[in-house]
Amino acid sequence: EPEVTQTPSHQVTQMGQEVILRCVPISNHLYFYWYRQILGQKVEFLVSFYNNEISEKSEIFDDQFSVERPDGSNFTLKIRSTKLEDSAMYFCASNEGNQPQHFGDGTRLSIL
Amino acid sequence: QKEVEQDPGPLSVPEGAIVSLNCTYSNSAFQYFMWYRQYSRKGPELLMYTYSSGNKEDGRFTAQVDKSSKYISLFIRDSQPSDSATYLCAPKSDSWGKLQFGAGTQVVVTP
Repeated sequence: EPEVTQTPSHQVTQMGQEVILRCVPISNHLYFYWYRQILGQKVEFLVSFYNNEISEKSEIFDDQFSVERPDGSNFTLKIRSTKLEDSAMYFCASNEGNQPQHFGDGTRLSIL
Repeated sequence: QKEVEQDPGPLSVPEGAIVSLNCTYSNSAFQYFMWYRQYSRKGPELLMYTYSSGNKEDGRFTAQVDKSSKYISLFIRDSQPSDSATYLCAPKSDSWGKLQFGAGTQVVVTP
């Protein structure tokens, strides 16, 4: 069964550094999402992306965050200057539109 | 009032019992209702997907949606130790839109 894959599984970064999280969505999907989950808290929506542009973003998704689909298969989340409070699991999801979203296993981001 | 509420548990049941999970929501615009299962340090895994009110059954799982009372249920029959996980309800208003997750209910099925 096709699946969403995310790399790396764990990323450790110094505060203030830039980090890029990578995702390969399911190949025929058109809608892409990033969510995050701080340890012990609920999964929170960050951003949705369709037709090479952001379709919706949350309050969390401020100017430090950006997303890109650099080619036909990858979908990336960039955090420009990481803060301690960015430490969380980051999940990528994709769907065909009127079907449910499928999630990857996430990247655990640890900011030191 | 939180948009989506779930009892955090843990809910502990013996193997073979029926697990009953509930979720309430406040946004009447929600039309699509998902249940996801999440194992520790893993991503949410889709279990059930329903549109509007009604019941849906898939193997040991049954999902119920009552939009009039903004109440969602998931039942797991013949529970197994492998069902031990956190169960997340996640409604949304548009077919392509963001999911609004509840905090999840932790379930422990003991052999």
